[in-house]
Amino acid sequence: AQSVTQLDSQVPVFEEAPVELRCNYSSSVSVYLFWYVQYPNQGLQLLLKYLSGSTLVKGINGFEAEFNKSQTSFHLRKPSVHISDTAEYFCAVSEGETSGSRLTFGEGTQLTVNP
Amino acid sequence: DTGVSQDPRHKITKRGQNVTFRCDPISEHNRLYWYRQTLGQGPEFLTYFQNEAQLEKSRLLSDRFSAERPKGSFSTLEIQRTEQGDSAMYLCASSARVVPTNTEAFFGQGTRLTVV
Repeated sequence: AQSVTQLDSQVPVFEEAPVELRCNYSSSVSVYLFWYVQYPNQGLQLLLKYLSGSTLVKGINGFEAEFNKSQTSFHLRKPSVHISDTAEYFCAVSEGETSGSRLTFGEGTQLTVNP
Repeated sequence: DTGVSQDPRHKITKRGQNVTFRCDPISEHNRLYWYRQTLGQGPEFLTYFQNEAQLEKSRLLSDRFSAERPKGSFSTLEIQRTEQGDSAMYLCASSARVVPTNTEAFFGQGTRLTVV
């Protein structure tokens, strides 16, 4: 069975500072990895995804993530955050067609950007 | 296309009542998923459809829950005899199945259920 652990439940940072949100996963098969963002009372929006190929993935709003197979990690980074990046961030894993492409999510990391 | 649409956005119901939620996926998407998200947690998978066929149900989906997708278009999720523990955000997502690579699941805005 697949599982996802987000190592930080809350991350406070100052505006224009860099940020890293950590995600580790476990699975017995090859996986696809995703980061989603959720604003209050909204659905989830995809930030970026890793399917195959280059381990450094770039997404929307200046975010990027690096897939590390040996460490089973997929950490999300942004070099300079903005107030508008304040939101809940979810890491998710899929085992692809072996599980109907359903997603298993971590518990989320609340990113709060302070002025 | 305006994306995945869910109705209603909010529902308050008394314990013991039945409720039904609707999800309209992106028109060309043949896969539709239901997830439940409780406060402070990540979404949890409930069930999914490929066209009109319900292919998997989580053990979270008790016998009080039923989901349908007639004609492979919109889907409904019904909860019978609601309990306070059913209070959550119910999220619908759709995707186009492309083999061999996975594709993005597009989420709706969710239906927030409060059972009082």
